[in-house]
Amino acid sequence: QVTLKESGPGILQPSQTLSLTCTFSGFSLSTYGMGVGWIRQPSGKGLEWLANIWWDDDKYYNPSLKNRLTISKDTSNNQAFLKITNVDTADTATYYCARIKRGLDYWGQGVMVTVSS
Amino acid sequence: DIVMTQAPLSVSVTPGESASISCRSSKSLLHSNGITYVYWYLQKPGKSPQLLIYRMSNLASGVPDRFSGSGSETDFTLKISRVEAEDVGIYYCGQLLENPWTFGGGTKLELK
Repeated sequence: QVTLKESGPGILQPSQTLSLTCTFSGFSLSTYGMGVGWIRQPSGKGLEWLANIWWDDDKYYNPSLKNRLTISKDTSNNQAFLKITNVDTADTATYYCARIKRGLDYWGQGVMVTVSS
Repeated sequence: DIVMTQAPLSVSVTPGESASISCRSSKSLLHSNGITYVYWYLQKPGKSPQLLIYRMSNLASGVPDRFSGSGSETDFTLKISRVEAEDVGIYYCGQLLENPWTFGGGTKLELK
């Protein structure tokens, strides 16, 4: 059974760094062809893809945020991470991680992040 | 970036009837390997998106066969036969051919 769960700070202030963790089970990020992606969704709005990390440590970022994003993984502990630097109110959203095998095929429940002074 | 455009914005369907949602991409999603990298997701109220269709026409695991996907290189359709109450939510198409991966704006399905 594949499951993913996101965790994060809940609330942070503008200019801080947002650190998110995706803890998963039911698959391994060391398996050929496997990946984990991060997607966010502001309240009442659509989906925005942020970044992917693959089994071979290949990484891809959305160019609109590339300079602010860092994705990484801890294969031994079945975790993936996303950092977003210099956040502002526009980064307020629900953040999802998802397994990538047949597309984004399993999603976590999401974690709400609010950026507010 | 590849732009994904969905229509209609919302659709109201009588239970038991069928519904179709369209999605158009600004560029061909057909890869040289023969795979068309368009996907369909349903986000039920208050829930995470769930995969319905992958690579244009393949039913994801556990998805009822009332759902089907079809299309060409740039025009795609999600069809729901015999709509049920559990099908209510927002449907998104997405392309996973090129970075950045992009999604349509969503189509809200409601029951009459």
